[in-house]
Amino acid sequence: AQSVAQPEDQVNVAEGNPLTVKCTYSVSGNPYLFWYVQYPNRGLQFLLKYITGDNLVKGSYGFEAEFNKSQTSFHLKKPSALVSDSALYFCAVRDRQAGTALIFGKGTTLSVSS
Amino acid sequence: GAGVSQSPSNKVTEKGKDVELRCDPISGHTALYWYRQSLGQGLEFLIYFQGNSAPDKSGLPSDRFSAERTGGSVSTLTIQRTQQEDSAVYLCASSQQGNYEQYFGPGTRLTVT
Repeated sequence: AQSVAQPEDQVNVAEGNPLTVKCTYSVSGNPYLFWYVQYPNRGLQFLLKYITGDNLVKGSYGFEAEFNKSQTSFHLKKPSALVSDSALYFCAVRDRQAGTALIFGKGTTLSVSS
Repeated sequence: GAGVSQSPSNKVTEKGKDVELRCDPISGHTALYWYRQSLGQGLEFLIYFQGNSAPDKSGLPSDRFSAERTGGSVSTLTIQRTQQEDSAVYLCASSQQGNYEQYFGPGTRLTVT
C-alpha cells in the first residue's frame, strides 16, 4: 500500500535560517512526489514535484526538494526562511502504476519567527 | 485565469439531512478529484473523474457518499443522511490530462450538528 510519512507535526525556525521539512514515502513502484502548502483558510497550493530526471527539484517561493530513492525520502528545503513561509505543508505521493489519486502525509506546520 | 471554485464555502446542516457540494474545475482540465480534510485524518482521497471514463470511487467512505460530473465539467458531491463524523473540509482539485499537478479549490467547510 502507498503511504507518506511526515515525522514532524511542527517545525520551528528563525527567519533567515535554513529550513527542512521531512517526508518519506512507500510505494510499490516508482513514485511521483509533490509538495503542497496550505495557508490559513485557504486551499492547497502546489509548490513542486518530482516526476523523473534530476533528483533536486526547484519550485515556487525559493523552495526545493531532493528525491532520494535509497532513503525513500523527499525532504522540502529552503536556504533562508521567511516569516511569510509559516503555513501547513503537505507531502504527497502517487504510484505511477496505481492510479492518479494523491496520497498525502498528515502535514507539518512550519512556524518561522522573526 | 480562474482557478477551481467551490460552493458553498461553508455549510452547516443538521444530522440526517442531505447536502450537495459543488465544484467548478479549471476550464480545460479533464481530471477532477474530491478529497476530505479533517482534524486528525489529514487529507483523504474520495473520488476521481477522468474525461468520460468511469469514476474511481475507491475512496468513498460509505454508500451515503456519491458524486457526479456533468458534461465533463462541474461536479457535485452528495452526502446523504449526514453524520457528525462527516464534518470536515471537502476539497476539489482538477488537473490537465497528462499533467501531474492538481490545482485545488478553497474547499467547503461542512459542519454537521
